Amino acid sequence: TQLLEQSPQFLSIQEGENLTVYCNSSSVFSSLQWYRQEPGEGPVLLVTVVTGGEVKKLKRLTFQFGDARKDSSLHITAAQPGDTGLYLCAGTLSSNYQLIWGAGTKLIIKP
Amino acid sequence: DVKVTQSSRYLVKRTGEKVFLECVQDMDHENMFWYRQDPGLGLRLIYFSYDVKMKEKGDIPEGYSVSREKKERFSLILESASTNQTSMYLCASSLDEGAIFTDTQYFGPGTRLTVL
Repeated sequence: TQLLEQSPQFLSIQEGENLTVYCNSSSVFSSLQWYRQEPGEGPVLLVTVVTGGEVKKLKRLTFQFGDARKDSSLHITAAQPGDTGLYLCAGTLSSNYQLIWGAGTKLIIKP
Repeated sequence: DVKVTQSSRYLVKRTGEKVFLECVQDMDHENMFWYRQDPGLGLRLIYFSYDVKMKEKGDIPEGYSVSREKKERFSLILESASTNQTSMYLCASSLDEGAIFTDTQYFGPGTRLTVL
């Protein structure tokens, strides 16, 4: 059973468009992390959110943690080919501090 | 910069062979992890270690063992490789800042293992 559902699984858009990807669960997390993984490389941490309702910005990327700490979103403004990659979310369960990974959203930005 | 290196990028082995995957980190991190990554399944934790000679089972330890004789090195061993162990294997390390699974993990580039 996948405790962290990421959607969409795959997204291909043109350079300059905006997009949002989602990370959803019925479980409560004490913190949630977003990673980006480029082909042939390991995941690299982008951000950690810990407070319900928290919004963090990283240049054109905006991350939001849901008020109930069960979900998160990543919004990219004016996507660029360099944003191409697999975006993974990982949450630490409040109940037992286990780290749960989503399956990822594969994002392709076409020039 | 933290650097996590893995001994091979690509590896092809035959069923029944013993396979060693090596991981080395250069930042004196206490915690080290082994994951496998399969399409549609995300990362699944195989084993982790929070100190030299200490190891803990993750979610899918069956068919694997690990060794941590030195702080910087964490080895994953497939005692008798099987085709269902064909996967991408990722090693990670983190500094112990209090909560092992909330500390930032730094990943190696991965080893793509194919078992024929």
